[in-house]
Amino acid sequence: KNEVEQSPQNLTAQEGEFITINCSYSVGISALHWLQQHPGGGIVSLFMLSSGKKKHGRLIATINIQEKHSSLHITASHPRDSAVYICAVPTEMYSGGGADGLTFGKGTHLIIQP
Amino acid sequence: DSGVTQTPKHLITATGQRVTLRCSPRSGDLSVYWYQQSLDQGLQFLIQYYNGEERAKGNILERFSAQQFPDLHSELNLSSLELGDSALYFCASSVLGLAGGNEQFFGPGTRLTVL
Repeated sequence: KNEVEQSPQNLTAQEGEFITINCSYSVGISALHWLQQHPGGGIVSLFMLSSGKKKHGRLIATINIQEKHSSLHITASHPRDSAVYICAVPTEMYSGGGADGLTFGKGTHLIIQP
Repeated sequence: DSGVTQTPKHLITATGQRVTLRCSPRSGDLSVYWYQQSLDQGLQFLIQYYNGEERAKGNILERFSAQQFPDLHSELNLSSLELGDSALYFCASSVLGLAGGNEQFFGPGTRLTVL
């Protein structure tokens, strides 16, 4: 079973700061997911990546498959970025059979102060 | 809006009762996942269906069951409810068959309160 560790658990920063959230997992995977959960509870998929780096607006996600580690970066952070950021990986090693329920990290509670 | 719908949004019931949560996936998505989010356990995978058939099981209790219908909507049935079943229940959907994993799109969730 894959184990997912995220750090930090809580992060408070000032508007404009560069934010980094880290995620480590224990078993080789096909792809890693970064999710965002707002205070209202809804979950949004930010990225799914299997290698290298992806960028969407001010968000950047990187993954190092050999080291089993991924990072989520937020550039020029803004109060509207305040949310819980969750890293998730397939529960079982990808077999190609499409069974890919996710195992989640505990999340990083991010607060951006104006 | 992810395109995944869940009903009801809120549900309050008593211990020992049975409830049904409903999920409609995004148009074209064949796979449906159910997740539970509680304060003590965090987010947990319960079960996955693909095109009407069970594909994978996670930490789903025997008191819980699910099914996916021919129109691809899915229902999660929770019976003999206990206080500890109070949680947010999310449904997600994806298109299977993509090499390297499948992006999942989450519904707004159903908040279940067991009194």
